[in-house]
Amino acid sequence: DAKTTQPNSMESNEEEPVHLPCNHSTISGTDYIHWYRQLPSQGPEYVIHGLTSNVNNRMASLAIAEDRKSSTLILHRATLRDAAVYYCILRPPDTGRRALTFGSGTRLQVQP
Amino acid sequence: NAGVTQTPKFRVLKTGQSMTLLCAQDMNHEYMYWYRQDPGMGLRLIHYSVGEGTTAKGEVPDGYNVSRLKKQNFLLGLESAAPSQTSVYFCASSYLQMNTEAFFGQGTRLTVV
Repeated sequence: DAKTTQPNSMESNEEEPVHLPCNHSTISGTDYIHWYRQLPSQGPEYVIHGLTSNVNNRMASLAIAEDRKSSTLILHRATLRDAAVYYCILRPPDTGRRALTFGSGTRLQVQP
Repeated sequence: NAGVTQTPKFRVLKTGQSMTLLCAQDMNHEYMYWYRQDPGMGLRLIHYSVGEGTTAKGEVPDGYNVSRLKKQNFLLGLESAAPSQTSVYFCASSYLQMNTEAFFGQGTRLTVV
């Protein structure tokens, strides 16, 4: 299965943009790129996903490299509530392997 | 909409005791999953189900059993609890399509003494 690599931790200041990188050099052409985050003492929550094109939603933007070997989750204006562990996950098309596989993620700290 | 509901939220077991964790979803999702999360680590998949009456092993299935008798419920059983099973357990559900999101419960904090 294709794996993802993320920095262990990142820091940001409140109201500044945050770019969270993810490398997935062995991604297959049909794997979707999903991002989830986990706030302290809570279950993970969905952030965004994409296949080839950049995606935007109310929470964040997802920029996908042209060769799909990397992606970046963009939080346009970080708030204190965005402090969480962010997971980049590849989701294959095979039904039997479509369960989300979590790595260790990136712990984002937001300073006031 | 309740989403994904886990019962109970907290539990303390003695070594050797058994218990069942219940996960219920009201979104008509085909997929349901059970994960465990140990301190400072990511979630690890225990078992999953792609539909009513079907279950499959995940990354760390030993010591656990599951059942999916109804589409909306996914039960995780510990037949003989061990201290190594002290963890936070998360249930999740999603549609089968790979471009849809998964919804997670709030977790069950289990301590085995």
